[in-house]
Amino acid sequence: DIQMTQSPSFLSASVGDRVTLSCKASQNINKYLAWYQQKLGEAPKLLIYNANSLQTGIPSRFSGSGSGTDFTLTISSLQPEDVATYFCLQHNSWWTFGGGTKLELK
Amino acid sequence: EVQLVESGGGLVQPGRSMKLSCAASGFTFNNYDMAWVCQAPKKDLEWVATISYDGSSTYYRDSVKGRFTISRDNAKSTLYLQMDSLRSEDTATYYCARVNYGAYRGVMDAWGQGASVTVSS
Repeated sequence: DIQMTQSPSFLSASVGDRVTLSCKASQNINKYLAWYQQKLGEAPKLLIYNANSLQTGIPSRFSGSGSGTDFTLTISSLQPEDVATYFCLQHNSWWTFGGGTKLELK
Repeated sequence: EVQLVESGGGLVQPGRSMKLSCAASGFTFNNYDMAWVCQAPKKDLEWVATISYDGSSTYYRDSVKGRFTISRDNAKSTLYLQMDSLRSEDTATYYCARVNYGAYRGVMDAWGQGASVTVSS
């Protein structure tokens, strides 16, 4: 089975900061990595798919990069509404999720 | 607007059964594969099961094979998860999700808010 490891588990940042989250796969997943945002009590929201494709309606401050085993989600300028948990999903071979990064405001 | 609304969760005793439903709206339900994903307390999200757009194919993670059954009623735009022989480790929030192939290559692109299932005596 493919394992997905996210880091850090918790991140505290200020409004306007550039924030980078990491997701690593235990084996090559090509470009088939998605990122989601989940706020408390809400359904997960797809942000990025195929590593770097921005989902329709998602602000352009969100971007994804990477291929193979190492992937990154970047928020170019953190906004208060970005406080949430972010998790990754590999969709190369079945589906496996990362453990999530909880993003808070400093 | 795509909407997925789960129902049917609650408290159930070990060894008993429970059936979850997921009502879909805002898209052509019978064009999409659908999936169930769960998250146990303090654990990572886990894929549980997937069903093809027409219900002809189903897939399960090993830990639920033989105990859980995914099904769908395309006339009612509803997805189901029948859970039998429930164990304490099945305690989790269960999400239904739409699986989008084509350019999305199998991403779960829409999710419900989840239904909480607690297995306890």
